[in-house]
Amino acid sequence: QTVVTQEPSFSVSPGGTVTLTCGLSSGSVSTSYFPSWYQQTPGQAPRSLIHNTNTRSSGVPDRFSGSILGNKAALTITGAQADDESDYYCVLYMGSGMWVFGGGTKLTVL
Amino acid sequence: EVQLLESGGGLVQPGGSLRLSCTVSGFTFNSYPMTWVRQAPGKGLEWVSLISSNGGSTYYADSVKGRFTVSRDNSKNTLYLQMNSLRAEDTAVYFCAKWKFDYWGQGTLVTVSS
Repeated sequence: QTVVTQEPSFSVSPGGTVTLTCGLSSGSVSTSYFPSWYQQTPGQAPRSLIHNTNTRSSGVPDRFSGSILGNKAALTITGAQADDESDYYCVLYMGSGMWVFGGGTKLTVL
Repeated sequence: EVQLLESGGGLVQPGGSLRLSCTVSGFTFNSYPMTWVRQAPGKGLEWVSLISSNGGSTYYADSVKGRFTVSRDNSKNTLYLQMNSLRAEDTAVYFCAKWKFDYWGQGTLVTVSS
């Protein structure tokens, strides 16, 4: 069974840049997996940030960007702010109607 | 404004059943596939199910296949998740989401415990 991998945790300084990644236990992530990214704070529903690799969702500031870096999907946050401290999840389309979420990355801004 | 509102969660004994509903507004419901995603306490997100816009095609995660059934009533703008043979490991907040997870409801908590 394919596992979607994410860094369990990451930290960034205020104003800094951080890149979170989303990979596969076997194989490379491409745009064909329609990688998407979500932000979630405790007790809240996830918020869509990026879909289809690099399309920002409505209302998402341009300091959030998506891409493919090497064999992984990536979410880059530039000019990190305190309220970016959240859990970040990616999801990949596996075909045949099936989607798989990564385990999430807990981002700390300090 | 797009809104999704889940209901139907609660406490159920192992082996029991529950039906969740998700009522939507703010977009043309019958034009979009819909999904269910769950999150166990303190854990990550898990995709559960997908239903096509007309309800003709359904897909499930292996963990719920054969026990859960997704359906929709486009005349009522409502999505459903029938959950049977519930297990302790099904305890989670269940979210409905529009197609590629661009809009989410606030979730409803399902607790499976004796």
